Amino acid sequence: DAGVTQSPTHLIKTRGQQVTLRCSPKSGHDTVSWYQQALGQGPQFIFQYYEEEERQRGNFPDRFSGHQFPNYSSELNVNALLLGDSALYLCASSLFLAGGNEQFFGPGTRLTVL
Amino acid sequence: SQQGEEDPQALSIQEGENATMNCSYKTSINNLQWYRQNSGRGLVHLILIRSNEREKHSGRLRVTLDTSKKSSSLLITASRAADTASYFCATATDSWGKLQFGAGTQVVVTP
Repeated sequence: DAGVTQSPTHLIKTRGQQVTLRCSPKSGHDTVSWYQQALGQGPQFIFQYYEEEERQRGNFPDRFSGHQFPNYSSELNVNALLLGDSALYLCASSLFLAGGNEQFFGPGTRLTVL
Repeated sequence: SQQGEEDPQALSIQEGENATMNCSYKTSINNLQWYRQNSGRGLVHLILIRSNEREKHSGRLRVTLDTSKKSSSLLITASRAADTASYFCATATDSWGKLQFGAGTQVVVTP
């Protein structure tokens, strides 16, 4: 049973560029959430997707956008990158009917903005 | 802003000792969860306790929840070197499951 997978593992970009991160949820899960974790901090909720729609959003600017595909996989896009966007980006999946309670996290994508 | 705050920020113990960390939060919750993270990688779910529960056990883990004080504690008994990690509490305020994390407690277990 495959867990949550994310790609790429590491990414280096320069300020102003755009980046796309990808996530495949755990088999059987239909809800995907994205979190940003700065060094030494706890993860911060970015947004959550269910049925290909953004259902909840955290306190992040519109430069952060996402998408969920019919196979439940998801992408996180960040435009006009800033140095402060350097962080570990975590994807988590869950099953909506279970109340979305227990979330399974992927290994993360480490984004460095120079 | 972060909903939960863990205490202490860091904890160093020897193998075989117990480790206790606390979490305080600000608003009413649906449930509270504890996660472990090794070396800045993905988080591993440890235990979930619902707002109508007071205590839960899972192996060497014991979690308590006091909703009147808006606080929770995680106890790891008979710690092992492999327990070295950062531990985070996360609260869910609704059934959608959006989690709000604290800044974490770094635990180091030395042989």
